[in-house]
Amino acid sequence: TQLLEQSPQFLSIQEGENLTVYCNSSSVFSSLQWYRQEPGEGPVLLVTVVTGGEVKKLKRLTFQFGDARKDSSLHITAAQPGDTGLYLCAGAATGTASKLTFGTGTRLQVTL
Amino acid sequence: GAGVSQSPSNKVTEKGKDVELRCDPISGHTALYWYRQSLGQGLEFLIYFQGNSAPDKSGLPSDRFSAERTGGSVSTLTIQRTQQEDSAVYLCASSPVAGGILQTQYFGPGTRLLVL
Repeated sequence: TQLLEQSPQFLSIQEGENLTVYCNSSSVFSSLQWYRQEPGEGPVLLVTVVTGGEVKKLKRLTFQFGDARKDSSLHITAAQPGDTGLYLCAGAATGTASKLTFGTGTRLQVTL
Repeated sequence: GAGVSQSPSNKVTEKGKDVELRCDPISGHTALYWYRQSLGQGLEFLIYFQGNSAPDKSGLPSDRFSAERTGGSVSTLTIQRTQQEDSAVYLCASSPVAGGILQTQYFGPGTRLLVL
């Protein structure tokens, strides 16, 4: 069974601070996605990374896929209250592009 | 209304009763997924439908859980003889034709199930 552990589990910061969320596994994934989920809604895709060492930027969010494709990180620069939510990583094993294993989640709260 | 819809949005039931949860995927999406999410945590895969292929049921936690997808569109997740540990948010997602590249899954808002 493939597991994705996220850390930290909870994070409460003030507006303007930077933060990094980690997603780690002992298994190799062919690709990995990051989602954000707000209360009462389903997760919404932020990014997909497919190449080891790949870095993608989405405004203030920077996503990195580990060289060995076993881990990933999400860095947010100058966090804003609108970044508040549950962040989920999800990986697809080789040959199972449609079946995702989701991480344990990181709940982020950004206050003024 | 181009998104994934789910009904009911909330369901309260008594232990031992059967429940049916419905998912309407995005039109044209051939892949449909069911997940379970407990207490705002990560998602647990339940079942996956892809076109006319046999569904991947490897995530169903017990034989009390079953799902159907009629006509390649609407799906129903049925939980028989509900237990308190079945209380969770049940999320449905759909995606375009699955292939070698990881597709975007579009999620519905979920059904919040509470078993008393």
